[in-house]
Amino acid sequence: AQSVSQHNHHVILSEAASLELGCNYSYGGTVNLFWYVQYPGQHLQLLLKYFSGDPLVKGIKGFEAEFIKSKFSFNLRKPSVQWSDTAEYFCAVKPSNTGKLIFGQGTTLQVKP
Amino acid sequence: KAGVTQTPRYLIKTRGQQVTLSCSPISGHRSVSWYQQTPGQGLQFLFEYFSETQRNKGNFPGRFSGRQFSNSRSEMNVSTLELGDSALYLCASSYTGGDPYEQYFGPGTRLTVT
Repeated sequence: AQSVSQHNHHVILSEAASLELGCNYSYGGTVNLFWYVQYPGQHLQLLLKYFSGDPLVKGIKGFEAEFIKSKFSFNLRKPSVQWSDTAEYFCAVKPSNTGKLIFGQGTTLQVKP
Repeated sequence: KAGVTQTPRYLIKTRGQQVTLSCSPISGHRSVSWYQQTPGQGLQFLFEYFSETQRNKGNFPGRFSGRQFSNSRSEMNVSTLELGDSALYLCASSYTGGDPYEQYFGPGTRLTVT
């Protein structure tokens, strides 16, 4: 079965701390990978995406993610978080050439000022 | 360019009723996907429409259906509502739904079934 697993459900960090959110997926074919963010009261926004090429992808607001095919992982990183990064983060996998996103359960990030 | 719009934003219905939700994709986008978001199950894929045809379907009962019009606008219908259908229903549009196009999400319709 196709599934996405996010390792951390709730993360609390202080401003300037480094962030790494884990994401692993289970799917046998070619996939596209995404991280979406949902800020309080706002709708889902795309942080970054991987379709092909360089496995290290950079997104908005200083976020980056690395696709490690052998580990079926797509972890999200940010060197120094800000209070404004407080949000829920979703990892998603899309089987290639379909319009179906499979989401992880989400990670709530709380950044303390 | 205007984003994905969904109407209505909030809806309260009674068990047994039916409901229709509407989604207008970003101009030029031809793929529309629907998702259900609940605290317990998270974000789950319902179905995808492209050029007025259902292209992919998730694991939801037949009470959940949808359609897409020639202008790419899409509607989702839930018949015989159950309490468990209370959720945020999200619509996402994409240029084609395939690679290398990402999906853009609307604000959602919050459905409460009483």
